[in-house]
Amino acid sequence: AQSVTQLGSHVSVSEGALVLLRCNYSSSVPPYLFWYVQYPNQGLQLLLKYTTGATLVKGINGFEAEFKKSETSFHLTKPSAHMSDAAEYFCAVSARNNAGNMLTFGGGTRLMVKP
Amino acid sequence: DAGVTQSPTHLIKTRGQHVTLRCSPISGHKSVSWYQQVLGQGPQFIFQYYEKEERGRGNFPDRFSARQFPNYSSELNVNALLLGDSALYLCASSLTERFGDTQYFGPGTRLTVL
Repeated sequence: AQSVTQLGSHVSVSEGALVLLRCNYSSSVPPYLFWYVQYPNQGLQLLLKYTTGATLVKGINGFEAEFKKSETSFHLTKPSAHMSDAAEYFCAVSARNNAGNMLTFGGGTRLMVKP
Repeated sequence: DAGVTQSPTHLIKTRGQHVTLRCSPISGHKSVSWYQQVLGQGPQFIFQYYEKEERGRGNFPDRFSARQFPNYSSELNVNALLLGDSALYLCASSLTERFGDTQYFGPGTRLTVL
């Protein structure tokens, strides 16, 4: 069974500082990995997706994530935080469920950006 | 193009009642999935439908049921509501049910059970 662990339920950074949100996964097959962002009282917005090939994935709003198979990690980074980045971030792994496709999510990391 | 839409936005029910939540997928998408997000947690998978057939079911009681219509829209039904059913219910659509297909989420329906 697949599982996702996000280290740090809350992360606080200063505006302009590096953002690093950690995600580790377990999967019995080569995974598809996703990062989603959720702003208050909204649904989930796709930031980026890892399929196969290049291990560094670029997403929207300046975010990127690096797939490291040996560490079973898929950490999300952004070089310079902006106030508008304050939100909840979820890492997810795609898993086969019966005949379909389900997402297994981590518990989320709330990013706070200080002025 | 319109994204995934869900209705209603908010809903308040009392214990024991029944609720129906609705979802319209992105145009051209044939698969709809439902997730429950309890406050402070990540979403949990409930169902996936593709071409009107159930393709996956999460670890939820039989009080939860769903269906998909010929136009690919979907309904999630919950019977005999419990306080613990209070959550944000998210609908996601994807082109197919294939492993790894990207799922795009709607804004959710906030259900409060009193």
